[in-house]
Order: sequence, then structure tokens, then C-alpha cells
Amino acid sequence: DTAVSQTPKYLVTQMGNDKSIKCEQNLGHDTMYWYKQDSKKFLKIMFSYNNKELIINETVPNRFSPKSPDKAHLNLHINSLELGDSAVYFCASSQWRGGAYNEQFFGPGTRLTVL
Amino acid sequence: EDKVVQSPLSLVVHEGDTVTLNCSYEVTNFRSLLWYKQEKKAPTFLFMLTSSGIEKKSGRLSSILDKKELSSILNITATQTGDSAIYLCAAGTQGGSEKLVFGKGTKLTVNP
Repeated sequence: DTAVSQTPKYLVTQMGNDKSIKCEQNLGHDTMYWYKQDSKKFLKIMFSYNNKELIINETVPNRFSPKSPDKAHLNLHINSLELGDSAVYFCASSQWRGGAYNEQFFGPGTRLTVL
Repeated sequence: EDKVVQSPLSLVVHEGDTVTLNCSYEVTNFRSLLWYKQEKKAPTFLFMLTSSGIEKKSGRLSSILDKKELSSILNITATQTGDSAIYLCAAGTQGGSEKLVFGKGTKLTVNP
């Protein structure tokens, strides 16, 4: 069983379109994250949610809106897509334990290409 | 600004060689140092280090944290072609908005 899953795996779309990426984890974790990995393989955090509450929002344009309907899901909606949004988007999850977050488990990634 | 720097950026070795990958960090409210291996897809977790000087081992891989020097190393002995990957180092912060700050990774290529 896949621990952290994302859909779709690949997304090719035109500039200006709106798209969503979905993420689900079956690890029972209480915290979920979205990361962006650019063409140089640099992985950077975008958002994190703990128990459906936004914890981190790292200077990401307003066009990106995360939504967490429950602890097991964190979706990412992107409005008015731009060329610079092309990247691989990774979802991850972790568990708050012992007063801190522990290791994060990553999903397989969604490769977004904006034409 | 929080920063994690890895070196070298890339490394090519032959099977059987031993490699050492370096990671240094400057983050506010440091809590832990994590190593991940990324092959074609998702980063997979290797180690999490929170205490200085205590080596963690998993097979041919080992890692240690030096909080005084704000650094960590990842050693791989008797490398195999299957070790070829990007190795990512991340500093975990604490206190409110906890997050992982990643380095740019070291691309390791092990040739037969």
C-alpha cells in the first residue's frame, strides 16, 4: 500500500489555466506538506498543515491555495498557471511526537509542465 | 535566511570506493538534521540526527552530526551502482512553524 500518494503523476497544461493536485496519506500522520522541486533539483517547502490548520506559508504567490479537508488529505490548487510554475511538486507527511515533528515521508511527486 | 549547503555537488566514483558527503547548516531554532536519498522519484528517508557525536548506521551507510561545527557527514562504504542517487541533507527547525530546509543535494554516480 502506498503511504503517501499524489494524483496526477504528470500534468501538462497551458499558461493561464487553473489546475489541482491531490495528496493523500494513509500513515495516520497529523501534518502534511507541499514542496516544490525546480529544474535544478532544489527542494523547497511551500506549505504545511497540522490537523487541517495552516502552519507554514513560505512566500508563495496567492495563485497557490492549499486545502486540507481532513488530516489525511492536502490538495494544492494553482490559478492562472505561469511558465515558472513548471516543476515537480512533492507532498509529504509527518507525525508530531515527543514535542516535535519527526521524519517526513514523501509522495511520488507530480511533474507539472506549463506550456 | 535559513540555509543548508552540501558538498560536493556531484561525485563520480567506482564500485567499492568509500565516499563522504558533507552538509553544513545555518538555521534558526535548529532541531534535527536529516538525510534523504532521491533516485528517480520521491526522496526516501535515511537518517535523522539530533545529538552531536552519535553515529547512526544502516548497512554501509553511516552519518554523524557535529552541532559545534553546524555540520554533518554521510559516509557510504563499499559503494555499489545502486547507491547512485541524489543525496539530500535537510535541517529541521522547531518552535511553531517547524519545517525542513533542504540543501541542493549531492549527485553521486557509482560506475561499475
